[in-house]
This record gives sequence, C-alpha cells and structure tokens, in this order.
Amino acid sequence: AQSVTQPDIHITVSEGASLELRCNYSYGATPYLFWYVQSPGQGLQLLLKYFSGDTLVQGIKGFEAEFKRSQSSFNLRKPSVHWSDAAEYFCAVGAGTGTASKLTFGTGTRLQVTL
Amino acid sequence: EAQVTQNPRYLITVTGKKLTVTCSQNMNHEYMSWYRQDPGLGLRQIYYSMNVEVTDKGDVPEGYKVSRKEKRNFPLILESPSPNQTSLYFCASRADRTYNEQFFGPGTRLTVL
Repeated sequence: AQSVTQPDIHITVSEGASLELRCNYSYGATPYLFWYVQSPGQGLQLLLKYFSGDTLVQGIKGFEAEFKRSQSSFNLRKPSVHWSDAAEYFCAVGAGTGTASKLTFGTGTRLQVTL
Repeated sequence: EAQVTQNPRYLITVTGKKLTVTCSQNMNHEYMSWYRQDPGLGLRQIYYSMNVEVTDKGDVPEGYKVSRKEKRNFPLILESPSPNQTSLYFCASRADRTYNEQFFGPGTRLTVL
C-alpha cells in the first residue's frame, strides 16, 4: 500500500525567505503526486500535480515541486514566501487503478510566516 | 461557479443521535469521496463512490454509511455517532477515476458529546 511522509509538522519562515516543504512517498510503481494547501477554515486547494514527464512541476501561487524518483521525494518549493502563504500543506500520492484508485495524504505541514 | 457544497458547516450533537451531512457538486463528476481530518493524522478516506449506486469503503469506514442515488449528491450518514467521530469532515469530487484535480468542499466540523 502507498504511504506519504511529511517529516516537518510545523515550519516558520520570514516573509521574503525561500521555502522548502519535504514529502517522501512509498509506492511500488510510478506514483501520481500532489500538493494541496488548506487555508484556515477552508477546504483543500490543489497547488500542483505530477503525473509524468518533466520532473519539475510548476503550480499556482508561485509554487513548484520536483519529483526525484531515486529519493522517493516530491518537495515543494517557493523562492519568496508571502504572509498569505501561511496555511497547512498536504502532500498526497495517487495509486491504484480502476476501483482501487484513491489518494493517500500525508499528515501535513503547518507553515507560519513571520513579518 | 464550480463547487462542492457541504451542510451543515458546524454541528454539535450528542452520542447516539443519528445525523446526516450533505454533499453536493455541480460539476457532473462521477467520483466522490468523504474524508475525515484529525490532528496529526492528515486526511483519511471514509467512503468513496465511483458513480451512482456504486460505493465502497475507504480506510476508516466504521460507524459511517453513504449513499449515491443521484450523481450530484453524496450524503454521509452517522447512524449512532460517538465521541471518537468528532472531527473535521471533507467531501470531495473529481471528474472520473483518473487523477484529475480533486475538488474539496469547505468542511464540516462535527462535535459529538
């Protein structure tokens, strides 16, 4: 079965600083990978996804992520964080086919941005 | 506007009192699912539905029921709620079984006393 690990529960960065959120997955085949963001009191919004092809994926709000098969990682990055980026971020892996297809989420990383 | 709606957004109830959380999507999506979110555990899938009248268990189905009589609606039913079902619940939909974007509802915060 697939699994996702987000090793950082909470991260604090200063506004304008760069950001990297870590995500490691476990799955026997090529995974489908996602990053979602959850702002306070809101549902989840898709930031970006990786299905195949270019391993560097661009998303919304200036985020990008890089798929590294050798490290089983899909880390999320942003070169300059804005105060509005404060939220919880979830990495997810999609696996299975047909009726077994589903997303498995990590436990999330809460991002705090200091001014 | 394409969206997933859930009602109610907040609910406080007592142990054993049956309740239903409604979920509706206006995107003609085939695939819908329910998740619960708990601190330190992320989102865990409760049930999902591949299409009308087709539902299956997710990772944590105990204590929950669902139905899919219409394509747009996917209610979550707690026949006899217990305090360990206190959680934040999300409904989600996507176009089909492939990994296109999954749209989430705003969430329902349920407290069972």
